[in-house]
Amino acid sequence: NAGVMQNPRHLVRRRGQEARLRCSPMKGHSHVYWYRQLPEEGLKFMVYLQKENIIDESGMPKERFSAEFPKEGPSILRIQQVVRGDSAAYFCASSTPAGWQETQYFGPGTRLLVL
Amino acid sequence: AQSVTQLDSQVPVFEEAPVELRCNYSSSVSVYLFWYVQYPNQGLQLLLKYLSGSTLVKGINGFEAEFNKSQTSFHLRKPSVHISDTAEYFCAVSLLQGGSEKLVFGKGTKLTVNP
Repeated sequence: NAGVMQNPRHLVRRRGQEARLRCSPMKGHSHVYWYRQLPEEGLKFMVYLQKENIIDESGMPKERFSAEFPKEGPSILRIQQVVRGDSAAYFCASSTPAGWQETQYFGPGTRLLVL
Repeated sequence: AQSVTQLDSQVPVFEEAPVELRCNYSSSVSVYLFWYVQYPNQGLQLLLKYLSGSTLVKGINGFEAEFNKSQTSFHLRKPSVHISDTAEYFCAVSLLQGGSEKLVFGKGTKLTVNP
């Protein structure tokens, strides 16, 4: 049973370009969460999605960031017109739909560097 | 609002010595608490979790944690550490709000085990 998959593992972008980060949840998991880890900081919640629905995007910056989790395929976190401050590690986690307090399993992360 | 405080940003210790990593939380509702470990350039791996029941929780790799409601603490302990335990450890609390669930993380504690 494969774990949470994220790709790419490392991504380099120049200021103004777009970054697309992909996350495939564990088999049987339909809940996906995205977190951002800035240097020397803990993880900060960004968005919580279920298939075809955004449940909570309270942690997403108001501009340039968007997320989706289509019926088929991976979840995508998209950052438009990247700036240096977007450099961070982005982690995806998934859980089952069994209910509240289900364990979130994390992927290896995508480390984004904006030049 | 729920928050997590990890009191020590770095903990150096010698191999085979005991270690305690401290975590305090604030919450006005029932809490579910987690400890995750992050090895360099990897994702987060669940060590243990407290949902209900016994306040002493045993996890993987010989770690355990004790939930103390009166002191709002969830300290992580290991009686004898190995070099391979060198990693960053994150305490987290699960927040349920408006139909959404997310993890709120502390800033992490870097454990360095020296020979």
